[in-house]
Amino acid sequence: QVQLRESGPGLVKPSETLSLDCAVSGGSMKTSYWSWIRQSPGKGLEWIGYIYYTGTTNYNPSLKSRVTISIDTSKNQFSLEMNSVTAADTAVYFCARGYCHDTMCYAAYYDPWGQGTLVTVSS
Amino acid sequence: EIVLTQSPGTLSLSPGERATLSCRASQNIGKYLAWYQQKPGQAPRLLIFDASNRATGIPARFSGSGSGTDFTLTISSLEPEDFAVYYCQQRDSWQLTFGGGTKVEIK
Repeated sequence: QVQLRESGPGLVKPSETLSLDCAVSGGSMKTSYWSWIRQSPGKGLEWIGYIYYTGTTNYNPSLKSRVTISIDTSKNQFSLEMNSVTAADTAVYFCARGYCHDTMCYAAYYDPWGQGTLVTVSS
Repeated sequence: EIVLTQSPGTLSLSPGERATLSCRASQNIGKYLAWYQQKPGQAPRLLIFDASNRATGIPARFSGSGSGTDFTLTISSLEPEDFAVYYCQQRDSWQLTFGGGTKVEIK
């Protein structure tokens, strides 16, 4: 059973870069899509983007200029970088796998998710 | 951006009752809608995908219906573990969006 766990700094200064990793266990990364989603009281759930194991990416157009998602299948992990952060980027950040059903894996439905990690942007 | 509007904001029901949750899209999204359940302090869990397909391991009391702009999640008989917040999510456009959620609380 695939499990995901986020890690990274809980506090980032304004204008700096937010960096998070997601460790994947219990399955191969070479089967599905791997995504980042965040949740804040003000904006609710917001999709950030996904990466396929081949390295193909797709980002939320509203965040695309500031976001990079990368993958290292040899380490069974994928990562998020978001630059020029502001207080509006304060949120719980989740990593998630594209849902796989029968022989199909979806890029845009997600299960399972990691437990989430709170990132606060503040000086 | 496709906006998903969920109603009601809060649903107060007793165990054993039927819950009907609504999600309305700002434009036609075909069948490309999912429903998630989120409990306090936990990540969302996928319940329904492509409007009416139950995800693996989801009990039969959960069902989804609808297409186009109007969608419904029905819980036929609420169990104690079903009291949570429910979100819809669309995948019709590549700016995936979520609804604001419906909280199902114990009456």
